[in-house]
Amino acid sequence: EPEVTQTPSHQVTQMGQEVILRCVPISNHLYFYWYRQILGQKVEFLVSFYNNEISEKSEIFDDQFSVERPDGSNFTLKIRSTKLEDSAMYFCASSEALGQGFSPLHFGNGTRLTVT
Amino acid sequence: RKEVEQDPGPFNVPEGATVAFNCTYSNSASQSFFWYRQDCRKEPKLLMSVYSSGNEDGRFTAQLNRASQYISLLIRDSKLSDSATYLCVVNLPGGGADGLTFGKGTHLIIQP
Repeated sequence: EPEVTQTPSHQVTQMGQEVILRCVPISNHLYFYWYRQILGQKVEFLVSFYNNEISEKSEIFDDQFSVERPDGSNFTLKIRSTKLEDSAMYFCASSEALGQGFSPLHFGNGTRLTVT
Repeated sequence: RKEVEQDPGPFNVPEGATVAFNCTYSNSASQSFFWYRQDCRKEPKLLMSVYSSGNEDGRFTAQLNRASQYISLLIRDSKLSDSATYLCVVNLPGGGADGLTFGKGTHLIIQP
């Protein structure tokens, strides 16, 4: 079964450093997402991406964050200057259609980001 | 009222029992409903979509009650491997997140 893959599985970085989290969505999917989950809290939406541009973003997704699809397969999340509160599990997801339809999200296994 | 609300539990249930939990949602215009399962420190995995007429997948049954704005998940003949957190996901038109909002999850523990 096709799956979403994410690298690295764990990233440790110092406060103020830039990090790039990488994802390879399922190949025939058209919609890509980043979610995050702080330990013990709920899964929170960050951003959705379609047709090479941001479709929607949440309040969490401020100017420190950016996304890119540099080629036909990768989908990246960059955090420019990490803060302690950015420590969380970051999940990439993809879907065949927007969430408004009956198209569920398929998640990657996540990148645990630890900011020290 | 919270957008997507779930009883956090934990629900402690003996193996073989039947367990059910609900999820309420705030937007009457919601059209898409899903149950996901999340194991500790793992990614959410789709358990099942929830259709208007209700649907069943093996030991799992999902129901939708539009009038009262909730969905439910019933697990029959529970197994130890069913221990997990069950996440309710609902589209909330106009609510951002391209509509899909997660509940905090219901923690289920199946005891031998």
